[in-house]
Amino acid sequence: QLQLQESGPGLVKPSETLSLICTVSGGSIISSSHYWGWIRQPPGKGLEWIGSIYYSGDTYYNPSLKSRVTISIDTSKNQFSLKLSSVTAADTAVYYCQLVVVGAGDYWGQGTLVTVSS
Amino acid sequence: QLVLTQSPSASASLGASVKLTCTLSSGHSSYAISWHQQQPEKGPRYLMKLNSDGSHIKGDGIPDRFSGSSSGAERYLIISSLQSEDEADYYCQTWGTGIQVFGGGTKLTVL
Repeated sequence: QLQLQESGPGLVKPSETLSLICTVSGGSIISSSHYWGWIRQPPGKGLEWIGSIYYSGDTYYNPSLKSRVTISIDTSKNQFSLKLSSVTAADTAVYYCQLVVVGAGDYWGQGTLVTVSS
Repeated sequence: QLVLTQSPSASASLGASVKLTCTLSSGHSSYAISWHQQQPEKGPRYLMKLNSDGSHIKGDGIPDRFSGSSSGAERYLIISSLQSEDEADYYCQTWGTGIQVFGGGTKLTVL
């Protein structure tokens, strides 16, 4: 059974860079039908797609965040990561990693709360 | 522009059925979507992937009470024999060339 697990600091200072890792277990991150993504949910609000990466390294970002986001993949560790620069309080949210599988089911990580505060 | 529209809220009685709607923006009526459930204080759970022809791929362990159908640009999630644990937020998600989008979510109240 494929599982995704987010990890990273729960507190980030304003203007700094938020960094998270998603570790994939129970399957390979290398698959032509898999899109690995990051989604966030501010307190009391809906889900927002941040961006996705294909195993080849092709990336796709939400236009509203594109200037601050970098998503990368490490196939040797079966991990992919998120970096969000110049964070403000508006970036406080639960961050989820997700797998979208073309023609099959999707998977979610359990989520991790990141608070932006000095 | 790829947009998904959901009603903010819905309600139905215990044991009844409810149909939640996700509407694709103009020009995108052939797109597949995913439905996700988010119970209070929990992370999202994948329910099903729903194609334009109504065929769907459900997640592991999703009860038969959950089904999906499609009509034009509308994608439906039908929940029958409503139970208290079905009270949750329901989100639809779709994907296009280089982009993914979520609907605003529907909060379902079981009366």
